Amino acid sequence: DIVMTQTPLSSPVALGQPASISCRSSQGLVHSDGNTYFSWLQQRPGQPPRLLIYQIFNRFPGVPDRFSGSGAGTDFTLKITRVEAEDVGVYYCMQSTQFPPTFGQGTKVEIK
Amino acid sequence: EVHLVESGGDLVQPGGSLRLSCAASGFTFSTYWMHWVRQAPGQGLVGVSLTSRDGSTTHYADYVKGRFTVSRDNARNTLYLHMSSLRAEDTAVYYCARHNGVLDYWGQGTLVTVSS
Repeated sequence: DIVMTQTPLSSPVALGQPASISCRSSQGLVHSDGNTYFSWLQQRPGQPPRLLIYQIFNRFPGVPDRFSGSGAGTDFTLKITRVEAEDVGVYYCMQSTQFPPTFGQGTKVEIK
Repeated sequence: EVHLVESGGDLVQPGGSLRLSCAASGFTFSTYWMHWVRQAPGQGLVGVSLTSRDGSTTHYADYVKGRFTVSRDNARNTLYLHMSSLRAEDTAVYYCARHNGVLDYWGQGTLVTVSS
């Protein structure tokens, strides 16, 4: 299975300040169809996961533009330009290029 | 609007069986592969199974092979997960999710508790 490793595991951030989460995969994520099925999920407290970013940098419909994704190869980053109260939760990177889909350990974003 | 609603979670004894359902609406269910993903209490997300559009192809994580079976009824727009020989470590919230290259829509989950 592909291993996804996130850092940091906890990120206390003041309101209005930026946040950044990194994720590294144990192998490349390019599918045979040429796409890279890497995504970021948000899980607010008591809620199911929600897709934020897909195929490295595409924002899912309804996702605010303060969220952005970047990266290539095996290293990826999620950035929040200005953290808002509603951004509190756990963020997961995941790959669905290969079965089983695998997820990072999760990064808890909280307000400082 | 895409909607996925899981049901069937319950308290079950070790060694017991359970069937989960995932009712889909708002999209053409028969044209998408579908996942089951689980999350143990306070833990992260783990892939369980994946099934093709017509259910003829299935994949399972190693830790559920031989115990869990995924199926679907496209006429009823419903995905199922048949779980048997349940263990305490199967205790988790089980989510169904639509596969669109990535897992783009998730249900709210159903809780399975395996305990005597």
